Amino acid sequence: EAGVAQSPRYKIIEKRQSVAFWCNPISGHATLYWYQQILGQGPKLLIQFQNNGVVDDSQLPKDRFSAERLKGVDSTLKIQPAKLEDSAVYLCASSFTTNEKLFFGSGTQLSVL
Amino acid sequence: GQQVMQIPQYQHVQEGEDFTTYCNSSTTLSNIQWYKQRPGGHPVFLIQLVKSGEVKKQKRLTFQFGEAKKNSSLHITATQTTDVGTYFCAGRSVNDYKLSFGAGTTVTVRA
Repeated sequence: EAGVAQSPRYKIIEKRQSVAFWCNPISGHATLYWYQQILGQGPKLLIQFQNNGVVDDSQLPKDRFSAERLKGVDSTLKIQPAKLEDSAVYLCASSFTTNEKLFFGSGTQLSVL
Repeated sequence: GQQVMQIPQYQHVQEGEDFTTYCNSSTTLSNIQWYKQRPGGHPVFLIQLVKSGEVKKQKRLTFQFGEAKKNSSLHITATQTTDVGTYFCAGRSVNDYKLSFGAGTTVTVRA
């Protein structure tokens, strides 16, 4: 069974630039999550989708972050403009339903200079 | 909002020794999950506990859910070098069913 696919694996940008991350969840998984993991901390939920609808985006900095999950399958997360404090690993995860275990992708390591 | 706290933040263990990491939630949980993240890797699911007082074992790992469903623990016996990594608990609140991760316990092992 294929896992959660994410790209790119690494990204280096300058502050005020924009960046986009892509995620393809495990086939059949209705719930998709984007997490931000700053070095030395636990994953922090940015946004949760159930199919193509947003369930929770309470911790998403909406002035600069946006995410979509068109057609309820793959998803993109965008940052525009990026700030230095956005340097982190962005993890995508999926689960079959909301209350089940999460499968994480390998993440995108973002460095903002 | 819900907070999940883990202690200790770091655990340095002699190979062959036992240790325990603890997880405490500010709110009652419907369930709790544990994940392991190896250095440079991504979190991998270990187990989910649902019932009050539940105890589950995976080889040398023993997981426990508190009677009040507000705390949990992970106990590892006879630590091996393969146990190196960061262990996260993630609690799902009964109030809003959001899954919140703790900051993790990072385990290093000396041979």
